[in-house]
Amino acid sequence: EVQLVESGGGLLQPGGSLRLSCAASGFTFSSYEMNWVRQAPGKGLEWVSYTSSSGNTIYYADSVKGRFTSSRDNAKNSLYLQMNSLRAEDTAVYYCARGLDTFDSWGQGTLVTVSS
Amino acid sequence: EIVMTQSPATLSVSPGERATLSCRASQSVSSNLAWYQQKPGQAPRLLIYGASTRATGIPARFSGSGSGTEFTLTISSLQSEDFAVYYCQQYSNWPPLTFGGGTKVEIK
Repeated sequence: EVQLVESGGGLLQPGGSLRLSCAASGFTFSSYEMNWVRQAPGKGLEWVSYTSSSGNTIYYADSVKGRFTSSRDNAKNSLYLQMNSLRAEDTAVYYCARGLDTFDSWGQGTLVTVSS
Repeated sequence: EIVMTQSPATLSVSPGERATLSCRASQSVSSNLAWYQQKPGQAPRLLIYGASTRATGIPARFSGSGSGTEFTLTISSLQSEDFAVYYCQQYSNWPPLTFGGGTKVEIK
């Protein structure tokens, strides 16, 4: 069974940093592209970042470019999102999702709250 | 960036009735269109990709149609478990991948 489990969310002040993790199991992680998708409270879905299976190709939404960094460790079956210079508008549930351009498996999400 | 617009924002339907949800793209996405279902407190679930192909395990009452800029998700006979929010997503021209704002299907 495919499982994606996010962790690392929390409450922090504007300007702060946080690192999210996504632990994958039940499939050959190194063969799959991965993404981060977020959802602000009561709002819709917003794609954040794409990471190729090797980790060599990474794309970002303009809203996070230059502040967020996605990476992966295929030996640890894990995807990461380093978030710096956080803003109130980054407050959201962050999901990791498997797939190149459509997402067939999702984690349960981890909540990031940015507030003073 | 391709903008996806869904209508209506809320759809009130009685159990057993048909629901028809619309999604429009600001430019052609060919058939590179997916639909997701999200229930409260849960992650989204992939329903349809390629505009009309059901994902693994998705019941046949869910069907997708359309190409170019106009797409439809039809739920032929609504079951209680189908009341949820539905999102369309284009993957024709990316990054960025973009989602519609969602349609909430509620019990009438």
